[in-house]
Amino acid sequence: AQTVTQSQPEMSVQEAETVTLSCTYDTSESDYYLFWYKQPPSRQMILVIRQEAYKQQNATENRFSVNFQKAAKSFSLKISDSQLGDAAMYFCALRNPPMDSNYQLIWGAGTKLIIKP
Amino acid sequence: DAGITQSPRYKITETGRQVTLMCHQTWSHSYMFWYRQDLGHGLRLIYYSAAADITDKGEVPDGYVVSRSKTENFPLTLESATRSQTSVYFCASSVVDSYNSPLHFGNGTRLTVT
Repeated sequence: AQTVTQSQPEMSVQEAETVTLSCTYDTSESDYYLFWYKQPPSRQMILVIRQEAYKQQNATENRFSVNFQKAAKSFSLKISDSQLGDAAMYFCALRNPPMDSNYQLIWGAGTKLIIKP
Repeated sequence: DAGITQSPRYKITETGRQVTLMCHQTWSHSYMFWYRQDLGHGLRLIYYSAAADITDKGEVPDGYVVSRSKTENFPLTLESATRSQTSVYFCASSVVDSYNSPLHFGNGTRLTVT
């Protein structure tokens, strides 16, 4: 069974500092997609970044980057120059190639990120 | 405005009542999904739909019914609400038939069953 584990229920970081959120997963597939979503207090889920397992280069989106370690099944999110607007719940998610038209995303339990001014 | 809209944003209902959560998207996305979010569980898929008149069960479908007579609407009905269905419900859509397509989410409905 596929699983996604976020071992840090809560993290805090000083504004302008760098923080890394951890995510590990388990899947028997060789090709899959990994996502980080952000959920601010407004409740809306917002895509932060995504990574295809076949791509060795780590994805980057402005201040957000990932450290994708396929052999270790690790997919951490690094946020540089943290801003107050980064405060949110962050969810890691795994999506396998479609089988029987099932496109289910497997979600971690989330990490609450607190930004200290 | 284009996007995905859920209504109501908050709902309180009593055990045993039927309640319907609405979801409307303006993108004409093929795929639509219903998730529930509970503390410590992340999101769990209730039902999804590949196109109008095509729906399928997700991880936790019991107690829920969906329909999709039009591409843009995907209502979720709790036939007889129970306290265990107190949760935040998210509707989402996806543009193409591809596992690398990100989901676009609505703002969620917080449902409380008393």
